[in-house]
Amino acid sequence: QTALTQPASVSGSPGQSITISCTGTSSDVGAYNYVSWYQQHRGKAPKLIIYDVTKRPSGVSDRFSGSKSGKTASLTISGLQAEDEADYYCRSYTSTTAYVFGGGTKLTVL
Amino acid sequence: QVQLQESGPGLVKTSETLSLTCTVSGGSISGNFWTWIRQPPGQGLEWIGCIYFTGSTNYNPSLKSRVTISVDTSKNQFSLRLNSVTAADTAFYYCARGFSYTDYWGQGTLVTVSS
Repeated sequence: QTALTQPASVSGSPGQSITISCTGTSSDVGAYNYVSWYQQHRGKAPKLIIYDVTKRPSGVSDRFSGSKSGKTASLTISGLQAEDEADYYCRSYTSTTAYVFGGGTKLTVL
Repeated sequence: QVQLQESGPGLVKTSETLSLTCTVSGGSISGNFWTWIRQPPGQGLEWIGCIYFTGSTNYNPSLKSRVTISVDTSKNQFSLRLNSVTAADTAFYYCARGFSYTDYWGQGTLVTVSS
């Protein structure tokens, strides 16, 4: 099972927008709309921020949005805030009846 | 508010079996899927497997030969067993609710494998 491909790091200034990509294959991201995104602050458990590609759980800021085109899913954070600095992981269902995570992206707020 | 709490030994010897239990409070284990995920220190997340409250399971193919996930609805708990562990199995182990996505997570527990 090969991990989904995410950039190792991204950065942005407060107020800006950033996008984190998550590239898979025709057996996972490209085949199913079961992509979810998780935010993990240092030393904490991951937190669900996007599910089913575009849906936001109750209580998650509308500054977070998800999308997908072909084999690549994306997470966009608008109006960047200092509290957004964290690691972000994507996850997708795969044809092997399992799930695979991306390698994670470290977001730095400058 | 659903809460999950992992419990089990923090140190396991090489070649032995890692056993963890996740206790669910604030909600019933029935009617949901329950998942185990791990994260080696400083590394990314790995999906281990999940179980439906009826006992039906799905496992990561790369771990399938060594993993067993079980559920005890009477205790509102589900468990993980990982056989023949090596240092590569040293990780934070998280239990969580859900299948296609996981919305409630435990705080995680560090399990170190050492001889």
